[in-house]
Amino acid sequence: GENVEQHPSTLSVQEGDSAVIKCTYSDSASNYFPWYKQELGKRPQLIIDIRSNVGEKKDQRIAVTLNKTAKHFSLHITETQPEDSAVYFCAAIVNNNNDMRFGAGTRLTVKP
Amino acid sequence: DAGITQSPRHKVTETGTPVTLRCHQTENHRYMYWYRQDPGHGLRLIHYSYGVKDTDKGEVSDGYSVSRSKTEDFLLTLESATSSQTSVYFCATQAGGPNEQFFGPGTRLTVL
Repeated sequence: GENVEQHPSTLSVQEGDSAVIKCTYSDSASNYFPWYKQELGKRPQLIIDIRSNVGEKKDQRIAVTLNKTAKHFSLHITETQPEDSAVYFCAAIVNNNNDMRFGAGTRLTVKP
Repeated sequence: DAGITQSPRHKVTETGTPVTLRCHQTENHRYMYWYRQDPGHGLRLIHYSYGVKDTDKGEVSDGYSVSRSKTEDFLLTLESATSSQTSVYFCATQAGGPNEQFFGPGTRLTVL
């Protein structure tokens, strides 16, 4: 089955700086890659996703890039704000398989 | 929050007792999932359902069973709870595949 690795496990940045979280996956058939944000004590919520037919997607301060050849995808947050502090999870899924595999998570801390 | 509720929200039980967690959705989503979340492991899939009475095992299914008799309800049962099943359990739904999964608020289960 799919295996997703996520790095780093913790990330601390100053407010206004950029943050990058990277994930690799093992199954070349994976074609959907969501990113979830989980605030302390809350449920995970989707912040952005990308499909395998697209190399990059952007939504305001958040962007995701996908390199299918290298089997890795990354989350980029620009102009970070304290409210961006949370745990971020990447995930990958194969189209005909509902078994979504998540990375172990990255705890992002944005210092004011 | 896609109309997903979980009950109970918190439960403390003793080793060897049966436990049933309930997930209820009002979105008429076809797919439903049970995950457990533990530090350092992200979200791991226990079981999922792709329709009424149609279920399949996930990555960590040992010691768990599920049932889905109605579109809106997905039950997770621990036949004989063990301390290793102490975790936060999240239910999720998905309209079609592969697409965004919507998570419930979670159930914190402690097995003493």
